[in-house]
Amino acid sequence: DQQVKQNSPSLSVQEGRISILNCDYTNSMFDYFLWYKKYPAEGPTFLISISSIKDKNEDGRFTVFLNKSAKHLSLHIVPSQPGDSAVYFCAASVSRSQGNLIFGKGTKLSVKP
Amino acid sequence: DTAVSQTPKYLVTQMGNDKSIKCEQNLGHDTMYWYKQDSKKFLKIMFSYNNKELIINETVPNRFSPKSPDKAHLNLHINSLELGDSAVYFCASSQGLFNYGYTFGSGTRLTVV
Repeated sequence: DQQVKQNSPSLSVQEGRISILNCDYTNSMFDYFLWYKKYPAEGPTFLISISSIKDKNEDGRFTVFLNKSAKHLSLHIVPSQPGDSAVYFCAASVSRSQGNLIFGKGTKLSVKP
Repeated sequence: DTAVSQTPKYLVTQMGNDKSIKCEQNLGHDTMYWYKQDSKKFLKIMFSYNNKELIINETVPNRFSPKSPDKAHLNLHINSLELGDSAVYFCASSQGLFNYGYTFGSGTRLTVV
């Protein structure tokens, strides 16, 4: 049973445009959400997070939006750069669950020059 | 200077063998994890240790045994390897149980033949 779903396995975007990666979750107990970025042959790298008490968190070109009623979050990258090409994982947790992050399957983003 | 290092990076072995994967972190973190990324690309937690104490032990066959000799190391020993154990295994660390900005190692690709 997938509690965190990333329904788009891949996304292709032109350099300079906006990339929007989506994530849905089913467990209403989740109250902390993260995005990780992964390059081939490397481990995932923490990118940005958001608590359920917020609906938006911004860090430079990266913004995460949370819609609790829809159980949906998205990552916006503006402007997209070729170096952003990677697999992006959405993850969620119950904040007092002793660190058990539940990951989605990932979305492979390709940013074309 | 690698923050979370795993060895070996690649491991090819025959069914029935026993193997170990080592993980070391030099970040001074007190919590370490093992995650498994299977063929469907899901990242699933296997174990977590906080200050050398086992915190999370998900439904993992008891052929898998983690060992944490100190806070900076978390090794994974696997007995009687099976074909289904083939996956990429990631070690990660964080400071505290509820700090989700994990730092991941680059992964160990295990292939059982």
